[in-house]
Amino acid sequence: EPEVTQTPSHQVTQMGQEVILRCVPISNHLYFYWYRQILGQKVEFLVSFYNNEISEKSEIFDDQFSVERPDGSNFTLKIRSTKLEDSAMYFCASRDSSSTDTQYFGPGTRLTVL
Amino acid sequence: SQQGEEDPQALSIQEGENATMNCSYKTSINNLQWYRQNSGRGLVHLILIRSNEREKHSGRLRVTLDTSKKSSSLLITASRAADTASYFCATAATGANSKLTFGKGITLSVRP
Repeated sequence: EPEVTQTPSHQVTQMGQEVILRCVPISNHLYFYWYRQILGQKVEFLVSFYNNEISEKSEIFDDQFSVERPDGSNFTLKIRSTKLEDSAMYFCASRDSSSTDTQYFGPGTRLTVL
Repeated sequence: SQQGEEDPQALSIQEGENATMNCSYKTSINNLQWYRQNSGRGLVHLILIRSNEREKHSGRLRVTLDTSKKSSSLLITASRAADTASYFCATAATGANSKLTFGKGITLSVRP
């Protein structure tokens, strides 16, 4: 069964460094999302992406964040200058273009900012 | 309360018993989805119910939706130790790109 994959599974970085989190959505899906979950808290929406542009973003998704679909398969989240409070689990999700609204999530990348 | 708020926050039952988890929300929705998360792992989609549906079944799962009360319930019948996980409800508003708004989750422990 097709699934969303994410790399790396765990990323440790120093405060102020740039990180890129990578996702490979399910191949025929057209809607892409990033969410994050700070330890012990609920999953929060960051951004949605469709037709090569951001369709919606949350207050969390400030100028330090960007997303890109550099080719036909990858979907990336970049944090330009990480802060301690960016430490969280980051989930990528995708959805196809049919009438189904189910979002399929990847296993997540745990980002630790020191 | 927040959009997609579950109760109870924690539930401990014996294997074989049924587990009922509730979710309330505040705004109009297009659909409501339930996800499971094993400790430190990803989110696994369980079931989706649309705003014009009242009940859906999938295996041992039964979900109901009451849009007049803005609430949903997830019933897991004949629970197993492997059902131990956190369960989240997530609501989606109308719109093609609609984001999911998650609740804080319910921690279910099933004792063998």
